[in-house]
Amino acid sequence: KAGVTQTPRYLIKTRGQQVTLSCSPISGHRSVSWYQQTPGQGLQFLFEYFSETQRNKGNFPGRFSGRQFSNSRSEMNVSTLELGDSALYLCASMEGTRETQYFGPGTRLLVL
Amino acid sequence: GENVEQHPSTLSVQEGDSAVIKCTYSDSASNYFPWYKQELGKGPQLIIDIRSNVGEKKDQRIAVTLNKTAKHFSLHITETQPEDSAVYFCALNGVEVDSNYQLIWGAGTKLIIKP
Repeated sequence: KAGVTQTPRYLIKTRGQQVTLSCSPISGHRSVSWYQQTPGQGLQFLFEYFSETQRNKGNFPGRFSGRQFSNSRSEMNVSTLELGDSALYLCASMEGTRETQYFGPGTRLLVL
Repeated sequence: GENVEQHPSTLSVQEGDSAVIKCTYSDSASNYFPWYKQELGKGPQLIIDIRSNVGEKKDQRIAVTLNKTAKHFSLHITETQPEDSAVYFCALNGVEVDSNYQLIWGAGTKLIIKP
């Protein structure tokens, strides 16, 4: 099976703009989780979608939102970008509950 | 809420020596403990996991031990090689929401293998 894919891989935006990142999970996986990783930091959980519904949510402001489509592909949106949003954004897919997460390569976002 | 402490944050070992990374946790209900390896420019990849019904699991040079009484689990890498250089994350199934457990992550350990 193909792995988790994320597009784009790199992105440069300016403050105040908005951005949309995309994630295609492994075929058959219905759960997609999003994480933010900043240099030297661990994985900060943003949210998880399962069957088009947000199932879990981390402690991020409302500028961060997401959605999942019927084919399990997921998008993450960040509005009104701030310099501190510069990070590697990772998505991970999972087949069911309480199972292994498989990560994509990430989208590296730079906000200038 | 559940918290995972991972130590050390950086570990430098000589090639061929062993490396040990330890994680401690507080919620005794946790029963799934994976370890991920993240190489530069890539997403984390699962390298080994253990469930609470066993105390140790081994896969070639990698092993994980679990002490549920003391609430800690460790990653052991023997005969380290340059390609083992990476950041390692421990995790466990923590917060339960509607019968779904969200993974709780350690802060990561940067492992440096010196030639």
